[in-house]
Parts: sequence; C-alpha cells; structure tokens
Amino acid sequence: DTAVSQTPKYLVTQMGNDKSIKCEQNLGHDTMYWYKQDSKKFLKIMFSYNNKELIINETVPNRFSPKSPDKAHLNLHINSLELGDSAVYFCASRLQGLGGNTIYFGEGSWLTVV
Amino acid sequence: QKEVEQDPGPLSVPEGAIVSLNCTYSNSAFQYFMWYRQYSRKGPELLMYTYSSGNKEDGRFTAQVDKSSKYISLFIRDSQPSDSATYLCAMRVSNNNDMRFGAGTRLTVKP
Repeated sequence: DTAVSQTPKYLVTQMGNDKSIKCEQNLGHDTMYWYKQDSKKFLKIMFSYNNKELIINETVPNRFSPKSPDKAHLNLHINSLELGDSAVYFCASRLQGLGGNTIYFGEGSWLTVV
Repeated sequence: QKEVEQDPGPLSVPEGAIVSLNCTYSNSAFQYFMWYRQYSRKGPELLMYTYSSGNKEDGRFTAQVDKSSKYISLFIRDSQPSDSATYLCAMRVSNNNDMRFGAGTRLTVKP
C-alpha cells in the first residue's frame, strides 16, 4: 500500500508539449505539496494545498498549474514545456498540527524535456 | 544568502566511521528541525526531527540543534554501506506550513 503515489514515474517529452503528473495520497492528510528537485538535488517547494485551497505559490511560472479535485489528490499540469523544466517532481502530503512534521513523499516523477 | 545552507559534498567515509552532517540557517524563527534521507531514485523519508534546541538520539543517529548558533547537526555512528544516501536538513516555523530544505549532502559509506 503506497502512501503517496504519483504517475508517471518517468516522462520524456518534447519542448512545447503539455503534460500532467498525477498524485494521490491515502493517508487522510489535509495538506499536499509539489516539490521540484533539480540536478543538484536542491528540493524547492512549488505549491501547497490545504483542504483543496492553494496556500503557497512560490515564484513558479504560470505554465505550471496545480489542480486538486479533492483532499486526496493533487495533480500538476505543465503547459508549453521548456528544457529547464527537466527535473524530478515530488508530490508530498502532511497532516497539519501537532506531530505534523512528517512530510511523506512520493517516489518522484522524472521529467525530461528534449 | 540562502535561508538554509548545507554542504552538498560528496562525502565518502569507510564503514564504521562516525559521520557528521551539518546545516546552518538564517531565519531565527525556525522551531522544528528535521533530517530526511533520500536513496537514489526514491523520495525523501523522515529520519529524525527535533523541536527547538537540544539533542535527540535514535539508534545510531543523533540530531543536535544549537539555535544560538543557528546550526544543526546529524551524527551517524558506526556507519554502514546502507547509510549511503543523500541527507537533507529541513526546518519550519511553528504554525507555518512552509518547510525549507537544505541542498542535501551526498554520503557514501565504503565497505
């Protein structure tokens, strides 16, 4: 039983295409995230959703749009892909409040734009 | 200056060595301090967390926080090849949803 699952795990696509990465968590958490990890392993938050509301939107290009149909899902849609979008994208979730320091990460989605 | 600084390494040690991993930070409002371990081709997983200053021990791992110096450490005793991974420090302000990560230190423990 995977706690945070994201698909696809690997994605190779051409510049200019539009792609989506899906994420689901079965932990009953109320907060979900998208992180981007670049080639130097630096993990940077992109979006955070709490109970379906966007609460963080770090300076991410508007080509990236998160969509949360319900508390257990947070999908990431990317328009007009660029070479610089190549990275690993991690979905994560957390339960806010006391003891909510554990962020559970998915396995990552390796995106390569050619 | 980045909010959280961490030497990316790589760090290579022989099996059985004591490993010291460190992070410094600039935001004095951080209250919760975490260490995550990330194996190759996997997502990060929480290893330890500490609230405010002090030490916390869990098996071969010890986390230390010195808020006065804005410095946190993770010590690994009797390191094993299975400890080879990237270790990321992370921290957040209480009642704040935003967690900041360090760049991660890549550790290799050689048999």
